[in-house]
Amino acid sequence: DTAVSQTPKYLVTQMGNDKSIKCEQNLGHDTMYWYKQDSKKFLKIMFSYNNKELIINETVPNRFSPKSPDKAHLNLHINSLELGDSAVYFCASSTRQGTEAFFGQGTRLTVV
Amino acid sequence: GEDVEQSLFLSVREGDSSVINCTYTDSSSTYLYWYKQEPGAGLQLLTYIFSNMDMKQDQRLTVLLNKKDKHLSLRIADTQTGDSAIYFCAEVNNAGNMLTFGGGTRLMVKP
Repeated sequence: DTAVSQTPKYLVTQMGNDKSIKCEQNLGHDTMYWYKQDSKKFLKIMFSYNNKELIINETVPNRFSPKSPDKAHLNLHINSLELGDSAVYFCASSTRQGTEAFFGQGTRLTVV
Repeated sequence: GEDVEQSLFLSVREGDSSVINCTYTDSSSTYLYWYKQEPGAGLQLLTYIFSNMDMKQDQRLTVLLNKKDKHLSLRIADTQTGDSAIYFCAEVNNAGNMLTFGGGTRLMVKP
């Protein structure tokens, strides 16, 4: 009965590889987000989708590409991984834009 | 742009009250939120306050809002070791389409 679930929880990979993180929500929400949390715990918005439409695309390298096949899923694909991409990535959803967000457990990405 | 600020660290003894403070910039925010993040976990919504309220109480949690000073606080009564976590305040951004988070306050509760 997990509300927002992300896979994998941990991801260790070498520089230059391409990887994907998947996110699914079963709350019936219209809006989904990707946030990045750095080592100092700062949370920065990366992307937001509303009803499969891209709403927010912050200053993120174009190596990061979100994909929303349907309202319940927002996946994050990262090409040519770099050391600086190491962080915890959180998926979240909300009933509509700008309301309280419900978070997944996070994916800890380590690039070596 | 939006800027939400919090102090980085707070240490209290078990049984004492904790007060975590936050300042925000967007006076048009309709709701302000407090989230809790335990180690290795995601953010959990703790409570929220509507902008036309001054105070909201929810069991051990009391949220105070000073709109004039754009200051939000979270008081935890009878703090327990299980309250040790990082607490984030958040406001709705200017465009109304996402939450902007503060940097988080790490609460350490000593037995």
